[in-house]
Amino acid sequence: NAGVTQTPKFQVLKTGQSMTLQCAQDMNHEYMSWYRQDPGMGLRLIHYSVGAGITDQGEVPNGYNVSRSTTEDFPLRLLSAAPSQTSVYFCASSYLGVGELFFGEGSRLTVL
Amino acid sequence: QKEVEQDPGPLSVPEGAIVSLNCTYSNSAFQYFMWYRQYSRKGPELLMYTYSSGNKEDGRFTAQVDKSSKYISLFIRDSQPSDSATYLCAMIHRFGNEKLTFGTGTRLTIIP
Repeated sequence: NAGVTQTPKFQVLKTGQSMTLQCAQDMNHEYMSWYRQDPGMGLRLIHYSVGAGITDQGEVPNGYNVSRSTTEDFPLRLLSAAPSQTSVYFCASSYLGVGELFFGEGSRLTVL
Repeated sequence: QKEVEQDPGPLSVPEGAIVSLNCTYSNSAFQYFMWYRQYSRKGPELLMYTYSSGNKEDGRFTAQVDKSSKYISLFIRDSQPSDSATYLCAMIHRFGNEKLTFGTGTRLTIIP
């Protein structure tokens, strides 16, 4: 049982490049979400989904795009990377109505 | 003003000491309260959750909630070096809307 799997673990981008962070879970969770973690800022919600085909914005959605075509996968797309998007990104999932989020190990992104 | 305030530390205590970690919040709509533990370069993992004022105990850990004061605490008894981690409080308005609001985290080091 792999839980929540994120790829890549590390990535360096140049300003203006685009990329996709992958997230997959094998627990049949309805809810999936993306957070970014920055020093002194804690975890901030970027986008979330309560099921396949349903997505919504979190606290800091600008510059990011998501889709949810299957229950298992929830990729996060950076459309045109900026240095302000340098961060550690976490994908998390849970059953709806339970509240216990299971986190992946994180993807460390540096934008030069 | 942030909805959830947490002293970032760092906090260093000798092995065997009692540790007290705290968060305050401003939004009375928060109904469920959680503590996550995050080891270095790992994703957060749920440690405890509670929804009522009072104490909840799990082994060496006790979660305390005071809704009237909008104040929550996590106590660690007989602290061990393996407890060294960042501890994040998290709150949610209600289950079914899984958008957790996190504190910034307190970095704890237990000195052998």
